Amino acid sequence: GAVVSQHPSWVICKSGTSVKIECRSLDFQATTMFWYRQFPKQSLMLMATSNEGSKATYEQGVEKDKFLINHASLTLSTLTVTSAHPEDSSFYICSAKDAPGMETQYFGPGTRLLVL
Amino acid sequence: TQLLEQSPQFLSIQEGENLTVYCNSSSVFSSLQWYRQEPGEGPVLLVTVVTGGEVKKLKRLTFQFGDARKDSSLHITAAQPGDTGLYLCAGDGVRFGAGTRLTVKP
Repeated sequence: GAVVSQHPSWVICKSGTSVKIECRSLDFQATTMFWYRQFPKQSLMLMATSNEGSKATYEQGVEKDKFLINHASLTLSTLTVTSAHPEDSSFYICSAKDAPGMETQYFGPGTRLLVL
Repeated sequence: TQLLEQSPQFLSIQEGENLTVYCNSSSVFSSLQWYRQEPGEGPVLLVTVVTGGEVKKLKRLTFQFGDARKDSSLHITAAQPGDTGLYLCAGDGVRFGAGTRLTVKP
């Protein structure tokens, strides 16, 4: 099946710094990628939808200037958490679709962010 | 507010028992997915249902999509400890329920 990777798998940073998380589709071209956030013992909450070559669409309540998303190629999307604070500590997961309208998403393994 | 409500939230059973997990919504979905997630990992797709009334079987797991495409159920027969995990339903692939955390005791 299709494989999606994330890097790094975990990161610890100081408050006020920025952190970039990469999401790659390894064996297919992803026209659409999604970014989710999952707090402990909670479900996945969609943060934004990223389409290659266009601006990301953010869910209500998600600050686009804080969570910068770039989908520069069909195999790579990045999420940058700017000026991270302890409340941004979470499990960030990306997923990718290989064709518009297809409902099957392939999820990455997630990135655990801890902001001190 | 969750668009999809899952019940029960937690379920702890003995090996060999049967169980059913429910996923309900007031919204109609063109498709509904069930995932299983292990701690520290991304969700893994179990099944996608798209037709109202559809029933799909995956070994000991039976998935049903409601006639109105607003709800779904997951039934596990003769549960095993390896079934332990977080089961998530998602509407149209991106709207996730809160999940059902299943523990199967040997």
